[in-house]
Amino acid sequence: DGGITQSPKYLFRKEGQNVTLSCEQNLNHDAMYWYRQDPGQGLRLIYYSQIVNDFQKGDIAEGYSVSREKKESFPLTVTSAQKNPTAFYLCASSLGFTSNQPQHFGDGTRLSIL
Amino acid sequence: AQSVAQPEDQVNVAEGNPLTVKCTYSVSGNPYLFWYVQYPNRGLQFLLKYITGDNLVKGSYGFEAEFNKSQTSFHLKKPSALVSDSALYFCAVRDINDYKLSFGAGTTVTVRA
Repeated sequence: DGGITQSPKYLFRKEGQNVTLSCEQNLNHDAMYWYRQDPGQGLRLIYYSQIVNDFQKGDIAEGYSVSREKKESFPLTVTSAQKNPTAFYLCASSLGFTSNQPQHFGDGTRLSIL
Repeated sequence: AQSVAQPEDQVNVAEGNPLTVKCTYSVSGNPYLFWYVQYPNRGLQFLLKYITGDNLVKGSYGFEAEFNKSQTSFHLKKPSALVSDSALYFCAVRDINDYKLSFGAGTTVTVRA
């Protein structure tokens, strides 16, 4: 079955540590996205990528970084500069950047501070 | 700028009763509208979308939504709710000339047996 795989499901970060969240899709989608979900706030866009080797900042990119070296993969690094990283992180993909098709989501990674 | 409002944080209904989750939106141009459902510790699952055409859209699991341009609303409905419909529901909007999808804050639906 096609879909989006996020790993790990749970992640703990120590002070001053960078951590990387994995996102892999086998839907052959060009566009990929990272969202942060906090209780009562909906989803906020961190980064997005239209095609391989291209990515853009979303609304809350500070303290985060991404890469898009392969079409299937869009890892997110939460750096030590992100002072409040505790949240549920969701990766999504869509057929095309301006397509009217819905975004498909992975099952998320829950990041907590040790 | 575009935005979505889900005016109710929580909706409680008895099993077998109709379920309505409200959504209003604001975009500069014409909208693409989506409803998603989220179960605990899971990602968002797509339910239905409005792109163009018929204002009544039917989706997965017996859900439907009505697009009302004059009221800028896209309310989600189900004629007979099930306990398994208990979840967090998100409305989302995108201007057809933009890339960004904006989400509402979500509505928690509880269906009691």
